Parts: sequence; C-alpha cells; structure tokens
Amino acid sequence: DTGVSQDPRHKITKRGQNVTFRCDPISEHNRLYWYRQTLGQGPEFLTYFQNEAQLEKSRLLSDRFSAERPKGSFSTLEIQRTEQGDSAMYLCASSLGRGTSGSYEQYFGPGTRLTVT
Amino acid sequence: GDSVTQMEGPVTLSEEAFLTINCTYTATGYPSLFWYVQYPGEGLQLLLKATKADDKGSNKGFEATYRKETTSFHLEKGSVQVSDSAVYFCALSGGSARQLTFGSGTQLTVLP
Repeated sequence: DTGVSQDPRHKITKRGQNVTFRCDPISEHNRLYWYRQTLGQGPEFLTYFQNEAQLEKSRLLSDRFSAERPKGSFSTLEIQRTEQGDSAMYLCASSLGRGTSGSYEQYFGPGTRLTVT
Repeated sequence: GDSVTQMEGPVTLSEEAFLTINCTYTATGYPSLFWYVQYPGEGLQLLLKATKADDKGSNKGFEATYRKETTSFHLEKGSVQVSDSAVYFCALSGGSARQLTFGSGTQLTVLP
C-alpha cells in the first residue's frame, strides 16, 4: 500500500493529557499537510511542511499544538493539555509540488479520530 | 481570505436521477479547484480537478467545469447510483502553501 497512512486511527484521552499522532506520506511527496475536521464540516487547514521545513501555520494552531517532520519523511502532530474542544478528526495529506505551477492535488490519509473526555 | 460555498444538504435522489451540487468560491489569484468524496467510514478521496478557467474535470461519470466568470465549479452526474451515496466536498487550492480550503460538504443519499 503506497497511500498516506496515519496512526492511531482512534484515540480517546482525558482532558489535560498530551497526545501525539503520526502521519506517513506517500514516499516521493515533498509536501505534507495537517487538517482538522469536526462533525458536519469540511476539513480546516492547520499546518504545512515542505520537506522538513514547517512553512505555514494556521491561526487554528494554538500554542498547545506542535508539529514536526524530521528528515522530511513522516510527521507528528502533538497536542498538549488536551481540551474537549480538540475532539475532531485529524487528517494528514501529502502532495508532490514543484515550483509554483501544477495542481498540487493532495492525497489524504484515513485520519485519526480524537475524543477528549 | 479564500472561501468555498457549497450547496447545503442533505440531498436525496432516486437511482438514475440527475445530480447537481452547486459550488462557488472566492479566491485571490487563480486557484485550482477540486471535488473530494468521502464514503461512509472512509477517508477523503480526490474525485476530480480543474486547474484553469474552462477546464472540465471528469471521473466516474461525474463532471465539473471551472467557470471563472461565475466563480463556480458545480458537480454534475447524469445518472446516479446507490453506490454514489457519500459526502461531497468542493475545495480550492491557494495561498503560498497551496493549502486546500473546503466547503462544508453535501451529504448525498441515493435510494434504489
């Protein structure tokens, strides 16, 4: 399977705990994105990596959130001191982008569903 | 900022009916436009795309045309099947990161 994978698929945690999610993009893709999707809504952009550099962060990404992509391969998204409002599906996507042209179509993983109790 | 407005659902159709899901957008520059589909219990899948004005994206009998003059990218299918039941998202790619901005999704149910 050469698609985007995410781990875990489901995570239940208590308020105040820290959680970490992992994303493995399609191997040759240099761009990696994190999105958050709440029930009944479309995904919302959180952050973006080009190779190992985190180049863009949304205002949605509070100080409790941090993301890394060491060596430009897999990525992790950590949420510290979780709150009930963090309950959502966290989606990872990757794409192959070159220069400023191209459609930059993104391929999504299955997501990690986080429930904060 | 960029935004996508999508026809509100849910939409319920009988098998073999004609489908239209409206999508309009606001964006600076010249975004690429996409339709993604989310089947029950599955992740987002790219359905079709268009990268410039007047381009028509098509896949699995679905079509959408990039209309710059009306800032629209409506999804159509001539004859829907029960297996098309899913949530459909319109999206645009813009900004320096080429991140996707999504509409709120349209739930489609096709009855036999």
